[in-house]
Amino acid sequence: ELKVEQNPLFLSMQEGKNYTIYCNYSTTSDRLYWYRQDPGKSLESLFVLLSNGAVKQEGRLMASLDTKARLSTLHITAAVHDLSATYFCAVDKGNYGGATNKLIFGTGTLLAVQP
Amino acid sequence: DAGITQSPRHKVTETGTPVTLRCHQTENHRYMYWYRQDPGHGLRLIHYSYGVKDTDKGEVSDGYSVSRSKTEDFLLTLESATSSQTSVYFCAISQWMRGAYEQYFGPGTRLTVT
Repeated sequence: ELKVEQNPLFLSMQEGKNYTIYCNYSTTSDRLYWYRQDPGKSLESLFVLLSNGAVKQEGRLMASLDTKARLSTLHITAAVHDLSATYFCAVDKGNYGGATNKLIFGTGTLLAVQP
Repeated sequence: DAGITQSPRHKVTETGTPVTLRCHQTENHRYMYWYRQDPGHGLRLIHYSYGVKDTDKGEVSDGYSVSRSKTEDFLLTLESATSSQTSVYFCAISQWMRGAYEQYFGPGTRLTVT
């Protein structure tokens, strides 16, 4: 059974600092996704990571994937208040090219960036 | 927003009553999904559909049924609502973007069962 764990669950950081959110998953998968959710809102797709060593960057956020370690990281560089949100990773239940489009989500990391 | 709407957006109902939530999409997507979101659990898949009249169960399907009689509508029914089904429900579609299928979510329905 595929399990997805994120840590930390809550992260309070100061503006200008760097930090990393970790996403571990328990079985092989071809696809890993990162989403952002603002309070009371829907989920916004941030990144899709498709292969070992994949790295994607958008602004102050950078996501990477290590399929051998079954680990993805979301790195925040020089945080700003606008990045405050809950971040979710999600893993496709398929593997070796047989993507199912069925996602298992981590429990989320609540990021609070203090001015 | 991938053309997804959900209705109602908020609903309060009593234990034991039937409830139907509607997801509507305007872009002819084949795959549609229903999730529930609860604190400490992230999102969990309830049911999904891979075409008209083609549906299957997700992780937490007990107490829920779905129907998809036309491409644009995916209905989630709670046959007899219970307090444990108080949650925020999100519908999603799957769309080919950036070299992979990605899921895009509707605005959500907040359901309270009293």
